[in-house]
Amino acid sequence: EAQVTQNPRYLITVTGKKLTVTCSQNMNHEYMSWYRQDPGLGLRQIYYSMNVEVTDKGDVPEGYKVSRKEKRNFPLILESPSPNQTSLYFCASSLTASLYEQYFGPGTRLTVT
Amino acid sequence: AQSVTQLDSQVPVFEEAPVELRCNYSSSVSVYLFWYVQYPNQGLQLLLKYLSGSTLVKGINGFEAEFNKSQTSFHLRKPSVHISDTAEYFCAVSEATSGTYKYIFGTGTRLKVLA
Repeated sequence: EAQVTQNPRYLITVTGKKLTVTCSQNMNHEYMSWYRQDPGLGLRQIYYSMNVEVTDKGDVPEGYKVSRKEKRNFPLILESPSPNQTSLYFCASSLTASLYEQYFGPGTRLTVT
Repeated sequence: AQSVTQLDSQVPVFEEAPVELRCNYSSSVSVYLFWYVQYPNQGLQLLLKYLSGSTLVKGINGFEAEFNKSQTSFHLRKPSVHISDTAEYFCAVSEATSGTYKYIFGTGTRLKVLA
């Protein structure tokens, strides 16, 4: 089954404790992206990747890191999480950028206390 | 810079009534336009998209949208809604020629279908 998976689905952590949210797709998509969803703000793009070893900032990259060492995986790293990073995070992938629809993962609800 | 505006944060409508969810965008270059739906506790899934050609686009579940370049709008419509259409709907834009490859989403419209 074609899908985007994220782990963990729920995470409660404390300020400053490094964490990684994994994202994997099995569709051989070139483009992958991370979003955060906050009430009243919709989805905002954090980082995206055009292909392996090619990443770029979205609109809200501060406090986040990403890497794309393999085509299927695109982990999101929070080196020192803060409470303002409490949010619902979505990973998405598409065949290539712009032209094609994105397929979204089920989301990761992160709480930073 | 591109932006997407969904003016209506919530739209209540009775079952079997028509509905229109509004989306306006701003961009200095050609864009691709998308509507996504998010059911409770789920990720987003594509309803329809406009890339080029006919300005009236038909999607899944009986939804359609019309691209209006002069008004920079891409409103979503359904002639008769069902209870199961209750969800949040997001309009999104990607720029076709800028080379930035970003996606910009609107703030979403919660559609609540009443019995």
